[in-house]
This record gives sequence, structure tokens and C-alpha cells, in this order.
Amino acid sequence: GAGVSQSPSNKVTEKGKDVELRCDPISGHTALYWYRQSLGQGLEFLIYFQGNSAPDKSGLPSDRFSAERTGGSVSTLTIQRTQQEDSAVYLCASSLSIRGGNYGYTFGSGTRLTVV
Amino acid sequence: QQPVQSPQAVILREGEDAVINCSSSKALYSVHWYRQKHGEAPIFLMILLKGGEQKGHDKISASFNEKKQQSSLYLTASQLSYSGTYFCGTELRTGANNLFFGTGTRLTVIP
Repeated sequence: GAGVSQSPSNKVTEKGKDVELRCDPISGHTALYWYRQSLGQGLEFLIYFQGNSAPDKSGLPSDRFSAERTGGSVSTLTIQRTQQEDSAVYLCASSLSIRGGNYGYTFGSGTRLTVV
Repeated sequence: QQPVQSPQAVILREGEDAVINCSSSKALYSVHWYRQKHGEAPIFLMILLKGGEQKGHDKISASFNEKKQQSSLYLTASQLSYSGTYFCGTELRTGANNLFFGTGTRLTVIP
């Protein structure tokens, strides 16, 4: 596609339920990143992929969070047993290569997650 | 690892200038600048790769002082469309291959 696509755009879930957030990056972008943005806050790094590999998972807030990427394309961020503090906008970004290159990151519009 | 941005917020009248600063405690490979309007995705403005580099984008330009691990974004003759939250993103020289973003500077331009 022309841009980074994220789905769903909004998700309301009950505390304790599992959720899956999807990111479809720009075709040909080898690097994919997940960030979390809480209300009025900056972007908190979660995880990045180079191809299908995630070399650094240290940004994931807890073991309830996991992510995978298949075929060097679509990525899924899964949050198990959601808690109210997980409520945030989850942003996905992709870039041609690690180190961003001259074109930086292209962000999706995000998934707004609300845990009630 | 998160860079520090200042100021946190600024209000300008159309035509006025502003400077947004970004400072890191770590050695940097590059600095990115992004603008995010309310409810929208951050949009890439520019990347600075070398110490002392300056770049321009219309009336928005930036500089990168590699030795001081600092970058500044300059907005001149501001327009209403410049309103939004500006984030710097820093790539570390060693270690992580992702950007660490500052907490943002909210810029409001009024008529």
C-alpha cells in the first residue's frame, strides 16, 4: 500500500482480555517499529524488527506483550490479560532500512486501545 | 536514553520565530524531527546525520551539533499550519537501532 496501515483504528476491551494489533508496513520496508503513546506523552519505544527478526525486545513493558512479523511484512502486537495502564495509542512505523536513511520513519495512524 | 526537549510548549503569533531544542546524554548517529497534529500520525520533517549539519525545509530548518549531542529546530515566519507537537528522535551511535523520542514540544500558532 501507499502508507503504513494499522488495524483496528480503535479497540475497546475489557480488563483481562487479550488483544491483537496489526500493522501492514510500506511494501519493501525492511524495518518495522512499534511505539506506544499515552495521552499527552511522547513516544515510548516497544520493539523493532529487521526483516522477521526482533533483535531487541527490552522495550516491551512486561511479558504480557509480544510481537511477531511474518514474511518480512505484516506485524502483530499482542497484549495478553490487558490492564487499564495498557490504554494508549499504539503506533507502528516502517523504514527502508535500519537507521532510517534519508527518508525517516513512516508512521501509521495508530490503534487507540482503551481497557475498561 | 530518551532525549530532552525544550521548551515543552510555546505559543507564537503568525510571522514570529521559534527554536526547539533537543539534547541527548548519549553519543548520537543521527537526529530526526517529526511533527504530529492532534489525532494524526507523526510526519517526518528531516534527518541530520553529521555533526554541524544544517538542513532546511521551507522555512523550517535544523542543526546538529554532534560534539554537544544537541539539535535545534528553527521555525521562521511561522504559519498557522506549523501548529502541532514537534518530536525529536535520536539514533544512538552504538547499540540500539531504533529512535528514542523526546517528550515533544507543543507549538501553537495564533493569528
